[in-house]
Amino acid sequence: GQQVMQIPQYQHVQEGEDFTTYCNSSTTLSNIQWYKQRPGGHPVFLIQLVKSGEVKKQKRLTFQFGEAKKNSSLHITATQTTDVGTYFCAGRTSNTGKLIFGQGTTLQVKP
Amino acid sequence: NAGVTQTPKFRVLKTGQSMTLLCAQDMNHEYMYWYRQDPGMGLRLIHYSVGEGTTAKGEVPDGYNVSRLKKQNFLLGLESAAPSQTSVYFCASNHQGSTEAFFGQGTRLTVV
Repeated sequence: GQQVMQIPQYQHVQEGEDFTTYCNSSTTLSNIQWYKQRPGGHPVFLIQLVKSGEVKKQKRLTFQFGEAKKNSSLHITATQTTDVGTYFCAGRTSNTGKLIFGQGTTLQVKP
Repeated sequence: NAGVTQTPKFRVLKTGQSMTLLCAQDMNHEYMYWYRQDPGMGLRLIHYSVGEGTTAKGEVPDGYNVSRLKKQNFLLGLESAAPSQTSVYFCASNHQGSTEAFFGQGTRLTVV
């Protein structure tokens, strides 16, 4: 069945350092979404990527969708303590398909 | 506009007891999902629904049943709770067409 793998599981960085999390799917995806979950909270949508090779930016966050539409990455430049949380990727194999999440990457930022 | 509302927020069950978790959304979304979240496992899909009256199995459906009798509600049932079902349960919904999913606040369930 469809699987979405995400690495690393945990990342500790010093404030100001960069951070990257990677997402890989066992099957070609129709689109991929990224979510952020703050400690004790619920996942909140960040962005959706649809096109092969697509790159989108949100301030210090850069999202990429691979050419083969099977992998994606989220890069945060110059982390801040407000970036703390767990980042999930989630993919669909079709526009009407179920949404499958990766295991998430938990980011800790030391001030 | 409440978004996605889950009830209850917390519950403690004894092994073998049954219960129903309710998810309600007021956004007229077609798609609804139930996930469970366990440490190191991410969000795993239990069951989902693409419309009123339809349900489908996700990654970890065993031990759970669901119903979608009304478009705005998606119920998750545990017929005979087991300690392995101790988890945080999230409901989510979205419009048809791969749009963003909105999550409820979660239900923390402990089975003793």
